[in-house]
Amino acid sequence: AQKITQTQPGMFVQEKEAVTLDCTYDTSDPSYGLFWYKQPSSGEMIFLIYQGSYDQQNATEGRYSLNFQKARKSANLVISASQLGDSAMYFCAMREHNNAGNMLTFGGGTRLMVKP
Amino acid sequence: DSGVTQTPKHLITATGQRVTLRCSPRSGDLSVYWYQQSLDQGLQFLIQYYNGEERAKGNILERFSAQQFPDLHSELNLSSLELGDSALYFCASSATGGTGELFFGEGSRLTVL
Repeated sequence: AQKITQTQPGMFVQEKEAVTLDCTYDTSDPSYGLFWYKQPSSGEMIFLIYQGSYDQQNATEGRYSLNFQKARKSANLVISASQLGDSAMYFCAMREHNNAGNMLTFGGGTRLMVKP
Repeated sequence: DSGVTQTPKHLITATGQRVTLRCSPRSGDLSVYWYQQSLDQGLQFLIQYYNGEERAKGNILERFSAQQFPDLHSELNLSSLELGDSALYFCASSATGGTGELFFGEGSRLTVL
């Protein structure tokens, strides 16, 4: 079974509008972390936001917020006031406490395209 | 700038050849991770080292190997290359403790012809 699922291969959003990128995860580990990374066309991976499984509040970082619904096992990324520079691939990832190496497992990504 | 350095940035080689990708982690980070990203795919975890020791292994082919040296830099060796090995190979490092955030290098883009 996929540990991280991103069901939207591609999305369009109008500049200045908000957009939600979906992410669902699967784990039986009670302690885990969820991450979102941005990959622009230049290829580098840029960390955006982190949510811990025990965090009571949804994480926010500037225009990025994470809509964490633990019971549904979802961790959607919300980008407010989209900008042209937000056009990129976005990856959701999870770190499980019990995995030996502490590595992140990534979803397949969502390509976001911001229209002027 | 994440502080993680990868070389080379681009590499073109032929099938059957062997290449070595190099990574220097952020200063102070003991963990190094290698990921493979094929065209329009997500990142696949290959292998992780912690302070010179192999810590975890993912879907790494037997033709691939890695090591981490006493100065903490790491090398990923890819041998008997096939067309399907063409990909972007990322190295990342992380601090001990904390959230487990990975800091990625810019990647090494390998093209096998």
